[in-house]
Amino acid sequence: GQNIDQPTEMTATEGAIVQINCTYQTSGFNGLFWYQQHAGEAPTFLSYNVLDGLEEKGRFSSFLSRSKGYSYLLLKELQMKDSASYLCAVRSVFSGGYNKLIFGAGTRLAVHP
Amino acid sequence: KAGVTQTPRYLIKTRGQQVTLSCSPISGHRSVSWYQQTPGQGLQFLFEYFSETQRNKGNFPGRFSGRQFSNSRSEMNVSTLELGDSALYLCASSLAGIGDREIEQFFGPGTRLTVL
Repeated sequence: GQNIDQPTEMTATEGAIVQINCTYQTSGFNGLFWYQQHAGEAPTFLSYNVLDGLEEKGRFSSFLSRSKGYSYLLLKELQMKDSASYLCAVRSVFSGGYNKLIFGAGTRLAVHP
Repeated sequence: KAGVTQTPRYLIKTRGQQVTLSCSPISGHRSVSWYQQTPGQGLQFLFEYFSETQRNKGNFPGRFSGRQFSNSRSEMNVSTLELGDSALYLCASSLAGIGDREIEQFFGPGTRLTVL
């Protein structure tokens, strides 16, 4: 079956660095996404990894290890506006050759002054 | 370019009723996916439509159905509503190509459904 685990809640201090982990078990792995969702708003795309390694985008970086079924999202120089839920989502190929996006329950990050 | 739009934004229904939600994707996007989001379960995949055909389905009962029109707009229907159907229903559109940017999903603001 499909299973995605990430911590429920995390707290961090403004200006600090935080790492949000995601572990997954899935067949037909075809990429991993990270989304940010502020309370009451729609999720917005942050990053996409399909090969092992680190992808850097400004203050945000995402890492993937396919052999370990593991990814993390790294947020640097935290700002108050980074307080949000961070969703890990795995894209899997199912029968018929089509992709399905399976989301984790999300990690609620609270950034304090 | 206009984003994904969903109507209505808020809806209150009673048990046993049925409801239809609407989603208009970004112009040019042919794939529309629907998700149910609840505090306890997170984002759960309902189904995906591409070129008017359902090509993926999640693990939801048959009370949940959908369709897509030739202009890529999609509707989702829930019949015989239950209290547990109260949730935020999100739709997302994508180009559904093979490039990295083409598989990115863009979410609409969602429809908040409350079943009393």
